[in-house]
Amino acid sequence: NAGVTQTPKFRILKIGQSMTLQCTQDMNHNYMYWYRQDPGMGLKLIYYSVGAGITDKGEVPNGYNVSRSTTEDFPLRLELAAPSQTSVYFCASSDSYNQPQHFGDGTRLSIL
Amino acid sequence: GENVEQHPSTLSVQEGDSAVIKCTYSDSASNYFPWYKQELGKRPQLIIDIRSNVGEKKDQRIAVTLNKTAKHFSLHITETQPEDSAVYFCAASMNSGYALNFGKGTSLLVTP
Repeated sequence: NAGVTQTPKFRILKIGQSMTLQCTQDMNHNYMYWYRQDPGMGLKLIYYSVGAGITDKGEVPNGYNVSRSTTEDFPLRLELAAPSQTSVYFCASSDSYNQPQHFGDGTRLSIL
Repeated sequence: GENVEQHPSTLSVQEGDSAVIKCTYSDSASNYFPWYKQELGKRPQLIIDIRSNVGEKKDQRIAVTLNKTAKHFSLHITETQPEDSAVYFCAASMNSGYALNFGKGTSLLVTP
């Protein structure tokens, strides 16, 4: 099993550009999450999903959108990139609530 | 979101000594408390977790204690080794039960 796979690993965007961060998991987990991690800070929840077709906002959803059309995939969309979105983005999945979350390797995103 | 406060932010110990990291949480409904280890440039990885119906859990050199009345939980690492050097994050389940609130992390340095 590959676990949670994120692409790309690194990306530089210009202000105002759009992009999609990809996340896929092969563990058949129902729950998936997107976090951002800024230097010296913990992980802040952007969006989460409890199953295909069901998504909800986390603590810092502004500027992002998600969709969950399949159990495996949970892409994160940035529509109009802003410098404040420079961060490391982690996708995670878990079997159910209050279960261990498995993280991907992260996407390092810089917006200039 | 609900707060999880973590102390200290940095901790330096000599190899063989013990290390203790403490977290407090505000949501009395929280019932799942995982700890993650993150090495530089890597993904967070679960090292131990505890649920609210348990006061203490141990796995080799790592232990976690939970005091629900006081709303705090702690990570104890005994006989520390240089490879224990990393950032450690505590987390507590949100009142929705679907996601986690993370502390800001503790940077642990174990010197030989």
